Amino acid sequence: EPEVTQTPSHQVTQMGQEVILRCVPISNHLYFYWYRQILGQKVEFLVSFYNNEISEKSEIFDDQFSVERPDGSNFTLKIRSTKLEDSAMYFCASHNPGQGTQFGGYTFGSGTRLTVV
Amino acid sequence: DAKTTQPNSMESNEEEPVHLPCNHSTISGTDYIHWYRQLPSQGPEYVIHGLTSNVNNRMASLAIAEDRKSSTLILHRATLRDAAVYYCILRDSSDSNYQLIWGAGTKLIIKP
Repeated sequence: EPEVTQTPSHQVTQMGQEVILRCVPISNHLYFYWYRQILGQKVEFLVSFYNNEISEKSEIFDDQFSVERPDGSNFTLKIRSTKLEDSAMYFCASHNPGQGTQFGGYTFGSGTRLTVV
Repeated sequence: DAKTTQPNSMESNEEEPVHLPCNHSTISGTDYIHWYRQLPSQGPEYVIHGLTSNVNNRMASLAIAEDRKSSTLILHRATLRDAAVYYCILRDSSDSNYQLIWGAGTKLIIKP
């Protein structure tokens, strides 16, 4: 079954440093997402991406965050200057309303655990 | 905020059926009912979704009340690998962004 692949699985970074989290969505999916989950808390929506542009973003997704689909296969989340409170699991997901998992479900990656020290 | 209400946790014995309830009294006509689960230390995993009719797939069944204000995810024969947090989520099909709004879910504990 097709998978969403995320790298790295774990990233440790110094506060103030830039990080890039990478995702390879399912190839025929059209919508791409980033979610995050702080330890012990709910999954939170960050941003959705469609047709090479951001279609919606949450309040969490401020100017420190950006997303890009540089080459038609990768989908990246960049945090320019990390803060301690950015420590979380970051999940990439992809979706195709007409196809995809069980004709409607979203497929999630296994996540990147970001630890800011 | 999530538009669904689920019990915080449930316990079940291995090899027995599990019925996970979800209330969504403010559901609108364009809302699909989605279920996802999250195994420990893993990303969310799609389980099943439906609109009005009951649905079956290889993982589970989804029973939707006639008024659509509640639904039940049914695992026919739970195994230890089904221990996870199960999320019931309404997804508005008229929203082209298709984002999911997550609640706290139900933590399912399976006893051997």
